[in-house]
Amino acid sequence: DGGITQSPKYLFRKEGQNVTLSCEQNLNHDAMYWYRQDPGQGLRLIYYSQIVNDFQKGDIAEGYSVSREKKESFPLTVTSAQKNPTAFYLCASSSGLNQPQHFGDGTRLSIL
Amino acid sequence: DQQVKQNSPSLSVQEGRISILNCDYTNSMFDYFLWYKKYPAEGPTFLISISSIKDKNEDGRFTVFLNKSAKHLSLHIVPSQPGDSAVYFCAASRSQKLVFGQGTRLTINP
Repeated sequence: DGGITQSPKYLFRKEGQNVTLSCEQNLNHDAMYWYRQDPGQGLRLIYYSQIVNDFQKGDIAEGYSVSREKKESFPLTVTSAQKNPTAFYLCASSSGLNQPQHFGDGTRLSIL
Repeated sequence: DQQVKQNSPSLSVQEGRISILNCDYTNSMFDYFLWYKKYPAEGPTFLISISSIKDKNEDGRFTVFLNKSAKHLSLHIVPSQPGDSAVYFCAASRSQKLVFGQGTRLTINP
């Protein structure tokens, strides 16, 4: 089945550590996105990539980094510079302009 | 600056009746609008969309209305079913970037 896979579903991090969230898609979509959701709030855009080897900062990119070496993969690293990393992280992809984004099931990151 | 707003955090509707979810936006450059449904601990699921050149789009029980002059978007679900209970997000798009509202929790009562 085609879709977006995020792993792991739950992730725990000690303060001061970097952690990488995985996102893989087999939909052959060019564009991929990372969002963060906090309780009672909408999704906020962290980073996006419209094509391989290119990515752009979203609205809340500070403390995060990404790479897009393959079309299928768009990993997100939450660095120790992110002061409030506890959140629900969602990855999405889309086939192009004015096409709906399709989401994975998310990774919940918690700080120990 | 909240460019997309859903002013009702929650809505309760009786099964079989119409559910109307509302969304307002401020940026007139948005050219594509979407509604997503979300269950807890899952990713949002795409429901329906509308281009800014249209004022209505219908798909089965779901209809989205766009009033550009009022910068207002609404989703109608009729008839409402228990499985419709979820959080609904509206989103507005410009240049492939989506801006989401805060969500409205819809509860369908038997």
